[in-house]
Amino acid sequence: DAMVIQNPRYQVTQFGKPVTLSCSQTLNHNVMYWYQQKSSQAPKLLFHYYDKDFNNEADTPDNFQSRRPNTSFCFLDIRSPGLGDAAMYLCATSTGTEVYNEQFFGPGTRLTVL
Amino acid sequence: GDSVTQMEGPVTLSEEAFLTINCTYTATGYPSLFWYVQYPGEGLQLLLKATKADDKGSNKGFEATYRKETTSFHLEKGSVQVSDSAVYFCALSDRAGYSTLTFGKGTMLLVSP
Repeated sequence: DAMVIQNPRYQVTQFGKPVTLSCSQTLNHNVMYWYQQKSSQAPKLLFHYYDKDFNNEADTPDNFQSRRPNTSFCFLDIRSPGLGDAAMYLCATSTGTEVYNEQFFGPGTRLTVL
Repeated sequence: GDSVTQMEGPVTLSEEAFLTINCTYTATGYPSLFWYVQYPGEGLQLLLKATKADDKGSNKGFEATYRKETTSFHLEKGSVQVSDSAVYFCALSDRAGYSTLTFGKGTMLLVSP
């Protein structure tokens, strides 16, 4: 089945220790998104790629970076995680061309910062 | 800018009760509207969608009608089940093709046997 895969599902890191979260998709979609979701809140868009074009949200901290080496993969790098970065990180994709702009979400990676 | 307002939860119901979760929006133009559901510990799943005024989206017994005159997209289900317990997010996309989603804050639904 075509899908959005996130690894790992659970990640524990130490304060200040860089961490990378991974997302892959078999949908061949043009657009990939990264969201941060804290407890009992709506997902907050961090950035997205349309093909190789990177789009950063204005309020995304510099501590968060992303890479998209090819259509299928996208990575979220947190350079120096703080306690406030503990959250669920959601990856999503969309075609970028259809009328509905439906986004397909992965299961998420829950990040714990010690 | 665009915004989505949902009723605050949690909404607590008994099994087989009728469900309504209110959602209203503010947007320029003619947005597409969505309901996403998030089960505990999981990502978001699209529940239903509507792309123009008076469209009704439906799936798994859930329905929502795009009401342009009241800028609303309320979610309804005639008879909820325990397995419907989840968080429900209303969202909009403000133009066709490539755009980002604007989410509401989410409404938790708890259904007891």
